[in-house]
Amino acid sequence: DAGVTQSPTHLIKTRGQQVTLRCSPKSGHDTVSWYQQALGQGPQFIFQYYEEEERQRGNFPDRFSGHQFPNYSSELNVNALLLGDSALYLCACSLEGRGANVQTFGAGSRLTVL
Amino acid sequence: AQSVTQPDIHITVSEGASLELRCNYSYGATPYLFWYVQSPGQGLQLLLKYFSGDTLVQGIKGFEAEFKRSQSSFNLRKPTVHWSDAAEYFCAVGRPISVTYKYIFGTGTRLKVLA
Repeated sequence: DAGVTQSPTHLIKTRGQQVTLRCSPKSGHDTVSWYQQALGQGPQFIFQYYEEEERQRGNFPDRFSGHQFPNYSSELNVNALLLGDSALYLCACSLEGRGANVQTFGAGSRLTVL
Repeated sequence: AQSVTQPDIHITVSEGASLELRCNYSYGATPYLFWYVQSPGQGLQLLLKYFSGDTLVQGIKGFEAEFKRSQSSFNLRKPTVHWSDAAEYFCAVGRPISVTYKYIFGTGTRLKVLA
């Protein structure tokens, strides 16, 4: 049973560019949450997707958007990148209902904005 | 607002010594509490969780944690630390979203183990 897969693992962008990060959940896990972990900080909730809809959003600007596909995989898009967007972006997956309160995390995508 | 506080940013212990990492939370209802560990360049691995029942929770890798409602604490302990335990540890509280949850994390405690 594969775990949570995120891609790319590392990437470098310049200010103003756009980035797309991808997440493939564990088999059968239908709920995907995204977190941003800045250097030296704990992860912060960006948003959560279920049934291809954004269920809830954290305190992040509209430059951050997402999508969930029918196979439960998800993308995180960030437009107009700022230096402060440099962080580790973590995808976490869970199963709606039973076990929904336990999230399994991927290894993350480390974004550097120059 | 819900919050999680990990008062110790860094902790250094000698291999073989005992360990306690502190976590305090602010949450109105009965919390769902978690400890995760993050090794360099890695994602988060679940060590243990508390939902209800016995307030002393056993986890993986020999870790345990005790939920104390009166102190709003969920401290992580290990009786004998191994060099491989060096990592960053995060405490989190689960906040309900419909029938699932989002996590609110503390800022983490970085553990250094001396040989």
